[in-house]
Amino acid sequence: SQKIEQNSEALNIQEGKTATLTCNYTNYSPAYLQWYRQDPGRGPVFLLLIRENEKEKRKERLKVTFDTTLKQSLFHITASQPADSATYLCAPDGGYQKVTFGTGTKLQVIP
Amino acid sequence: GAVVSQHPSWVICKSGTSVKIECRSLDFQATTMFWYRQFPKQSLMLMATSNEGSKATYEQGVEKDKFLINHASLTLSTLTVTSAHPEDSSFYICSVQQGADGGYTFGSGTRLTVV
Repeated sequence: SQKIEQNSEALNIQEGKTATLTCNYTNYSPAYLQWYRQDPGRGPVFLLLIRENEKEKRKERLKVTFDTTLKQSLFHITASQPADSATYLCAPDGGYQKVTFGTGTKLQVIP
Repeated sequence: GAVVSQHPSWVICKSGTSVKIECRSLDFQATTMFWYRQFPKQSLMLMATSNEGSKATYEQGVEKDKFLINHASLTLSTLTVTSAHPEDSSFYICSVQQGADGGYTFGSGTRLTVV
């Protein structure tokens, strides 16, 4: 069955450092993969989409890589800030317009 | 980008009653909307795909007679939880797809508590 794994339930990082979050997937061949941010009690907010033919994508302090051989995506936040503290969700394309989500990694940026 | 409004943001109801949740696309005509459910510390799980003017498509294991979906216009989809039970208590969220590179826009969610 299809499975999405995101590294650890919580990641603590010092302000100013680069946070790296991992998303591994099995039994998927996604044409694209999305990353979302979710704050407590709120709906997810779209951050980035990367396609299978793109190895890397950037948006301001965010960078996403997509390795279809390793079946892995890495999500980087450079110069992290306390305001970046949230849960980050990986969402590979599930086909048929469906978005399927990982359980998320909770990031805590410590001042 | 698309703006999605969801109402109510929270609701408490008695066991056995029905609750209706509205999802509105404020600036985008959505032929398709998606309904998700999220239990504490768990992933968002797709419940159903709401199709304007036709029947919703439910995911495996989701009871269509219990979770009634109506998508009567291009800007409004409703989810009605019928004969609610405490185990239906959850966070319900709707979404629309903005476009090929825009990802999905989600509503702010509805916290349902059945007592």
